[in-house]
Amino acid sequence: DGGITQSPKYLFRKEGQNVTLSCEQNLNHDAMYWYRQDPGQGLRLIYYSQIVNDFQKGDIAEGYSVSREKKESFPLTVTSAQKNPTAFYLCASSRQGFMGEQFFGPGTRLTVL
Amino acid sequence: DAKTTQPTSMDCAEGRAANLPCNHSTISGNEYVYWYRQIHSQGPQYIIHGLKNNETNEMASLIITEDRKSSTLILPHATLRDTAVYYCIVRGASGGSYIPTFGRGTSLIVHP
Repeated sequence: DGGITQSPKYLFRKEGQNVTLSCEQNLNHDAMYWYRQDPGQGLRLIYYSQIVNDFQKGDIAEGYSVSREKKESFPLTVTSAQKNPTAFYLCASSRQGFMGEQFFGPGTRLTVL
Repeated sequence: DAKTTQPTSMDCAEGRAANLPCNHSTISGNEYVYWYRQIHSQGPQYIIHGLKNNETNEMASLIITEDRKSSTLILPHATLRDTAVYYCIVRGASGGSYIPTFGRGTSLIVHP
């Protein structure tokens, strides 16, 4: 089955530690995205990538970093500089340059203790 | 990208039609209207999209006004499983990239 996966579903970390969230897709999509969602809120864009080896900051990139070394993978690192990292993180992908829909992963709920 | 305005919450009886409105008065000519829904603690799911004509698929219908400043998502026979947050977004080009923006959406509760 084609789709987008995120792991793990739940993640706990101590304050001050960096943590990397995984996002993999086998849809052959060029574009990938990371969103953050806080309780009762909409989705806020952290980073996006339209093509391998290229990515752009979204609305709330501070304290986060990404890489896009492979088409199918777009990992997100939550650094210790992120002041309030506890949130629900969603990864998505879509075809490049096409008004197609985004496909979302199941999300990772990060709790920083 | 144009912004959208949706009611915070709505409710609907099971088996009845759910009509979810969305205002996008600043939409431009090349921007599409997309609808997604998010069931609690899951990733959003695509429902339908359109440019200016009405659209229908197995999940829903999308009615876009002639001036394209508003649209309505219709779930013809709502079920309890349709309880979710529904997002209306518009997607356009920004420097060659399509960057969707999700607001708070409409929380739809379907009751027995």
